[in-house]
Amino acid sequence: DVLVTQSPLSLPVTLGQPASISCRSSQSLAHSDGNTYLNWFQQRPGQSPRRLIYKVSDRDSGVPDRFSGSGSGTDFTLKISRVEAEDVGVYYCMQGTHWPWTFGQGTKVEIK
Amino acid sequence: EVQLVESGGGLVQPGGSLRLSCAASGFTFSGYWMHWVRQAPGKGLVWVSRISGDARKTHYADSVKGRFTISRDNAKNTLYLQMNSLRGEDTAMYYCGRDHGGYNSIDYWGQGILVTVSS
Repeated sequence: DVLVTQSPLSLPVTLGQPASISCRSSQSLAHSDGNTYLNWFQQRPGQSPRRLIYKVSDRDSGVPDRFSGSGSGTDFTLKISRVEAEDVGVYYCMQGTHWPWTFGQGTKVEIK
Repeated sequence: EVQLVESGGGLVQPGGSLRLSCAASGFTFSGYWMHWVRQAPGKGLVWVSRISGDARKTHYADSVKGRFTISRDNAKNTLYLQMNSLRGEDTAMYYCGRDHGGYNSIDYWGQGILVTVSS
């Protein structure tokens, strides 16, 4: 299985400041169809996951534009340009290129 | 509005069985692959199983292969997960999710249902 590793695992952030989460895979996530299937999910406390980003950088409808995704190959990043209180939660990356799909361990974002 | 509502969870003894259901609404259920993903208490997300829209194709994580069976009833817009020979490590919140066709992703998730395996 493809190993997906996130860092950091805990991210204390000051309100209004930027935040960045790294996601690295043990194999390239470039698919033979030309796409790269890397997703980002947000899980607020006590809630189910919510997708924010798919195909590396495509933002879901309703997701604030302060969230952005980037990267290629084995190295990906989720950035929050200015953290707000509602962004508290755990963020997971998930690769959809290789079966079985695998998730990172999660990064807990909290307010300092 | 897409809605996915899981049910059927609870406390079961090791070696026991349980069947989870996921009632879908707000979209053409038969046109989508569907998934089960689980999350052990305090842990991360793990993909469990998926099924094609016509129910002809199914796939499982190695950890549940031979013990869990995914199925669906398109007439009832319902997804199922039959879990047999349950173990303590199967204790988790179980989420059903809709496949985002062509994008190798899950775009909608249910609220989850808790399964506890303990004597």
